Amino acid sequence: ETGVTQSPTHLIKTRGQQVTLRCSSQSGHNTVSWYQQALGQGPQFIFQYYREEENGRGNFPPRFSGLQFPNYSSELNVNALELDDSALYLCASSRSDRVGNSPLHFGNGTRLTVT
Amino acid sequence: DQQVKQNSPSLSVQEGRISILNCDYTNSMFDYFLWYKKYPAEGPTFLISISSIKDKNEDGRFTVFLNKSAKHLSLHIVPSQPGDSAVYFCAATAGYALNFGKGTSLLVTP
Repeated sequence: ETGVTQSPTHLIKTRGQQVTLRCSSQSGHNTVSWYQQALGQGPQFIFQYYREEENGRGNFPPRFSGLQFPNYSSELNVNALELDDSALYLCASSRSDRVGNSPLHFGNGTRLTVT
Repeated sequence: DQQVKQNSPSLSVQEGRISILNCDYTNSMFDYFLWYKKYPAEGPTFLISISSIKDKNEDGRFTVFLNKSAKHLSLHIVPSQPGDSAVYFCAATAGYALNFGKGTSLLVTP
């Protein structure tokens, strides 16, 4: 069973630029969620995609956007990067959009540094 | 506004003893509570969960206790092993999003 894979593992961008992060979900999973983990904090929910539609969104501005593809892989796009966007971005997949009884399986994350 | 709080940033326990990690929450609508473990340079790994209709769930060395009236849950690890050294995150959900605490770093010493 292939787990959740994310690319790239590390990325350095300049303020104002745009970035795309990619995620392949675990086989058999149809739901993808993205989380941002700042240093010393717990992961914070960005949004969830279920059947290629955004199913829920956390407290993040519209410059954070995403896509889910028919094979359930996903992209996270961030426009107009700010210094505070520097964080570990975690992708997670699950068998259901209800994540309580269908726990999330996380990838190892993409470390984004904005200078 | 932090809905899930882990008030102990770190905990050190001797091998073979019990580790108790605590978590408090504020939202009465949460219906599932989960614990995740995270090693450096890896993503969080699911450990154990409990439904709000239960007060205890056990899986091998790991037991989670839920006290709804106090809005408090705890994770017990017995016996603790050096490989348990990691950051433990408490999380709660009422649907599609997990709300995480800031984590507790557990160190199990030989």
